[in-house]
Amino acid sequence: DTGVSQDPRHKITKRGQNVTFRCDPISEHNRLYWYRQTLGQGPEFLTYFQNEAQLEKSRLLSDRFSAERPKGSFSTLEIQRTEQGDSAMYLCASSMSGGRAYNSPLHFGNGTRLTVT
Amino acid sequence: EDKVVQSPLSLVVHEGDTVTLNCSYEVTNFRSLLWYKQEKKAPTFLFMLTSSGIEKKSGRLSSILDKKELSSILNITATQTGDSAIYLCAAPNFGNEKLTFGTGTRLTIIP
Repeated sequence: DTGVSQDPRHKITKRGQNVTFRCDPISEHNRLYWYRQTLGQGPEFLTYFQNEAQLEKSRLLSDRFSAERPKGSFSTLEIQRTEQGDSAMYLCASSMSGGRAYNSPLHFGNGTRLTVT
Repeated sequence: EDKVVQSPLSLVVHEGDTVTLNCSYEVTNFRSLLWYKQEKKAPTFLFMLTSSGIEKKSGRLSSILDKKELSSILNITATQTGDSAIYLCAAPNFGNEKLTFGTGTRLTIIP
C-alpha cells in the first residue's frame, strides 16, 4: 500500500507529557499537511510543508507544537506539555504540487487519535 | 477568513432513498471545491469541482458547483448502508492548497 501512513494509531498520555507523531506521505508527493479534527468538526489546518520547508503555520499551532520534515520525506509533529484540550485526531495529508496545484487533491492518512488524561 | 458551511448537520434516511447534501463557501481566490467521505478514519476523496454547472458523477454519487450562488450539492441516489459516513466539503486556498473544511454532514442509512 502506498498511501499516507501515520504512527501511532492511538496515543493515550497524561497531561504535561510530550508526544510525537509520525507521518509518511505518498512517496512522490512534495507537499505534506497536518490537520486536527475534534468530534463533530471538520479537520482544521495546522501547518504544511513543501519539501522540507515549513511554509505556513496556523494560529491554532501554539508554541507547544512543533513540526518537522527534515529530509522532505516523513514528518513529525510534537506536542510538548500536553493539555486535555489537545485531545483530538491528528491527520496528515500529502499532495503533489507543481503548476496547476489546485488540481491535486489531498490524500489523507488514517490519523493518530490522541487522548490526554 | 475563509469559511465553508454545510447543511444539514445530520441526516437519517432509509435505504433506497435519495439524499442531497449542501455546501456553501466564502473563500478568497476561489479555484475549486472538494468533497470527501469520512467513515471511521481518513477522509477519502470523492470529487473536485472547478467549473460551474458541470456535473461530476461516480456511480450513485454526483456533485455540481454553482459559482454564482457560491455553493455545491452532493447527491446520492439509491442509498445503501455503506453510504453511512460523514461527508465533508472543503475549499483550498489557491497557492498553498490549505483546505478549509465545513463541519460535515453525518449521513445515516437505515436498512
